[in-house]
Amino acid sequence: GAVVSQHPSWVICKSGTSVKIECRSLDFQATTMFWYRQFPKQSLMLMATSNEGSKATYEQGVEKDKFLINHASLTLSTLTVTSAHPEDSSFYICSARGDRAESGQYFGPGTRLTVT
Amino acid sequence: EDKVVQSPLSLVVHEGDTVTLNCSYEVTNFRSLLWYKQEKKAPTFLFMLTSSGIEKKSGRLSSILDKKELFSILNITATQTGDSAIYLCAVEASYSNTGKLIFGQGTTLQVKP
Repeated sequence: GAVVSQHPSWVICKSGTSVKIECRSLDFQATTMFWYRQFPKQSLMLMATSNEGSKATYEQGVEKDKFLINHASLTLSTLTVTSAHPEDSSFYICSARGDRAESGQYFGPGTRLTVT
Repeated sequence: EDKVVQSPLSLVVHEGDTVTLNCSYEVTNFRSLLWYKQEKKAPTFLFMLTSSGIEKKSGRLSSILDKKELFSILNITATQTGDSAIYLCAVEASYSNTGKLIFGQGTTLQVKP
């Protein structure tokens, strides 16, 4: 149980285009999903917290107009990187937390974004 | 400021050795402490600890939490080369009930044959 999927697993796009990444909880309902970014040999950096049906809460320094987050249902959150630039190239990972107090957080497999 | 500190940052052992990874934290509104293993992709869940003194065990891995001294350990016995990975400790804080995770720097474990 507690499987989280991400799609796509990797994507290459041209500078100036937008890319959408999907995060799905497959066998549980996730009231809260989190989006992280990870650079090589560094720990995960939380970008934003996404609650179903409400606006995402962004961490300091993360541009909300550049990284659009939508959490339309209890099993799906999307991250759209708008007007991507090469410096946005990174490993993006989502995690999902169940709606019970004893729920753990489970990570998706990640999406490798390369902007050329 | 909330923080999670792991030690050691890196460790090299031989197959069959036993290792202990440490995680200390200073976090307000503590909810739980989680351990993850990260190989080439995203972290995979190992344990979630909420109560002091209760050991969680899965095969050769075990973990325990001390909420008085604010730390946790992750033990791996009879290590194998497949245990080589980055082990992440994270504390879940209940800010506005969202369960935000605060990560440590990770411990890189290398198990040599």
